Amino acid sequence: RKEVEQDPGPFNVPEGATVAFNCTYSNSASQSFFWYRQDCRKEPKLLMSVYSSGNEDGRFTAQLNRASQYISLLIRDSKLSDSATYLCVVNPADSSYKLIFGSGTRLLVRP
Amino acid sequence: SAVISQKPSRDICQRGTSLTIQCQVDSQVTMMFWYRQQPGQSLTLIATANQGSEATYESGFVIDKFPISRPNLTFSTLTVSNMSPEDSSIYLCSVEDLDRTRGEKLFFGSGTQLSVL
Repeated sequence: RKEVEQDPGPFNVPEGATVAFNCTYSNSASQSFFWYRQDCRKEPKLLMSVYSSGNEDGRFTAQLNRASQYISLLIRDSKLSDSATYLCVVNPADSSYKLIFGSGTRLLVRP
Repeated sequence: SAVISQKPSRDICQRGTSLTIQCQVDSQVTMMFWYRQQPGQSLTLIATANQGSEATYESGFVIDKFPISRPNLTFSTLTVSNMSPEDSSIYLCSVEDLDRTRGEKLFFGSGTQLSVL
């Protein structure tokens, strides 16, 4: 079983749609969670951290469910510019710097 | 945020040759990391490069294949040795965000797209 698993997609949605991605992780002791965004042929960039209480940044909402060991990302009012691959990233408890990356969920927003 | 310059951005190499990738950071950082992203795959940590000591390699990666240098706190190189087509991948260097209040964990260089024929 992979340490971090994501649905590879692609999710093909129209502009303005709401779309949600889930990610599951295997290490129950994991402490930190992130969503990164990676555009085609570009490096990953942090989108947002995921906090236990859930957090929102504009059109983006991240949730953490420790009991079920999954993380979600909700994008409201999708824009064309949201088209990218979204990487779920987990920091295992035994290291402060070693991040485990999911293989990503690809989002395509169409006009 | 850290500014990371990585080069070359891409290269096409013959099998059996070696390629050295350079990573320059605009500030002093304790640890630099080298990741590999194979086509359609997630990022995988190759090794952690610390200044003044040997790099720490992750399971499945060895120094003979991926020698790393870290001569100072702003620079590192990764060499992909005796390349085979299976080494075709994107190689990324990264550094940890020192300003933890921002919540960011890693900054990445723009990557090196390597194709081995």
